[in-house]
Amino acid sequence: AQKITQTQPGMFVQEKEAVTLDCTYDTSDPSYGLFWYKQPSSGEMIFLIYQGSYDQQNATEGRYSLNFQKARKSANLVISASQLGDSAMYFCAIEVTGGGNKLTFGTGTQLKVEL
Amino acid sequence: GAVVSQHPSRVICKSGTSVKIECRSLDFQATTMFWYRQFPKQSLMLMATSNEGSKATYEQGVEKDKFLINHASLTLSTLTVTSAHPEDSSFYICSEAGLAADTQYFGPGTRLTVL
Repeated sequence: AQKITQTQPGMFVQEKEAVTLDCTYDTSDPSYGLFWYKQPSSGEMIFLIYQGSYDQQNATEGRYSLNFQKARKSANLVISASQLGDSAMYFCAIEVTGGGNKLTFGTGTQLKVEL
Repeated sequence: GAVVSQHPSRVICKSGTSVKIECRSLDFQATTMFWYRQFPKQSLMLMATSNEGSKATYEQGVEKDKFLINHASLTLSTLTVTSAHPEDSSFYICSEAGLAADTQYFGPGTRLTVL
C-alpha cells in the first residue's frame, strides 16, 4: 500500500514570497507518479504539477516546482512569488503504475497568503 | 485537459432517502472513473473505481450495497447513496483518468447534506 505524509497542517506566507509545502511518500513500487492538487474553498481539485518516479529533472509549471528527492522519498511543492489567490488547501498524492490510476492523498496543507 | 461535470453540485435530503449523483465526462470517453469522499477538513478517500460496462470495484470498508455505482456509458457514471443517513453527509467528487500517466481530471464535486 502507498502512503503520503504531509506534516504541515497549516502554513502562512507573505505575498510575493516563496513557500515550500512538504510531502513525503512511502511505496515499495519502483514506478509511480506524484501529484500536487490545489483545493480552494469551492472544493474543486485543481491539478498543479506531476512528477514521474523515473523523471530525471524536477517538474516545473509556471510558479510551481516540485523538489523531488527520490532517495529521501520526498516531493515538496515550491510556490514562488505567492499571490493572495494561492490561499487554499494543497494535497500531495501518489499513483502507482499498474495500480489502476488510483490516487492516494495526503492529509493536506492549508496555505494562507498574507499581505 | 478533459472536462468533468457533476450534478447536482449541492443536495440536501432527509434521512432514509436515496440520492443520485451524476459524473459526466464532457470531452473524453472514460472507461474508468473514480469516486472519492471528503469529510470536512479531511483528505479525499477513494471509495470505488467505476468501470464502464462492468461492476464497480469498491475499496475496503465501503459498502457496495449502500453506495451503488453505475457506469453504463463511456461518458456517465452515477453514484447513488441509498438510505442516506446524517453520517453520509460529505463532499463527493469524481475523477477520470486521462490517457497519459500524468493526467487525472476531477469533477467540481457534490456536497451532500443529510438531515
